Amino acid sequence: AQSVSQHNHHVILSEAASLELGCNYSYGGTVNLFWYVQYPGQHLQLLLKYFSGDPLVKGIKGFEAEFIKSKFSFNLRKPSVQWSDTAEYFCAVNAPTGRRALTFGSGTRLQVQP
Amino acid sequence: DGGITQSPKYLFRKEGQNVTLSCEQNLNHDAMYWYRQDPGQGLRLIYYSQIVNDFQKGDIAEGYSVSREKKESFPLTVTSAQKNPTAFYLCASSASTRSNQPQHFGDGTRLSIL
Repeated sequence: AQSVSQHNHHVILSEAASLELGCNYSYGGTVNLFWYVQYPGQHLQLLLKYFSGDPLVKGIKGFEAEFIKSKFSFNLRKPSVQWSDTAEYFCAVNAPTGRRALTFGSGTRLQVQP
Repeated sequence: DGGITQSPKYLFRKEGQNVTLSCEQNLNHDAMYWYRQDPGQGLRLIYYSQIVNDFQKGDIAEGYSVSREKKESFPLTVTSAQKNPTAFYLCASSASTRSNQPQHFGDGTRLSIL
């Protein structure tokens, strides 16, 4: 069975600081990887996704993530955060075989202080 | 404007009562999903449906039931057998259950026990 771990539960940064949120998954085969964001009072939105090809993927609002197969990781990064990035971030995995639905991590709450 | 509509936004349940959460989508998506979101636990899959008149149990299906009589609708019933129903419930849809299909989410229903 697939599982996802997000080790940072709550991160507090100042504006302009760099961000890296960790995501590790447990699954031996090919996976598709996603990062979703939930801004306060809004619905979950897709930030970026990885299926194949270049392991460095770019998403909306300046976010990017790097897939490192040997480490089973898909960490989210942003060089310079803004106050508007305050939100909860979820990593998710979906494998082409087995259950046909996303498995989510427990989420990381990011608080950016002005 | 295409999207997913969940209603009601807030719902209160009395002990021993069944309640039904509505989820409607006008995205013409085949697949629909129900997740439960609890603080610090991320999203956990309750049920999903790949196509009309078909649905599968997720990780925490006990105490819940669903139906999929129409493509655009996937209501979730929280039965009296669900002993800890207080949570935030999210409905999602995707074009198919292929693992590279991103899911689109509704705004959620917050269920509380009276």
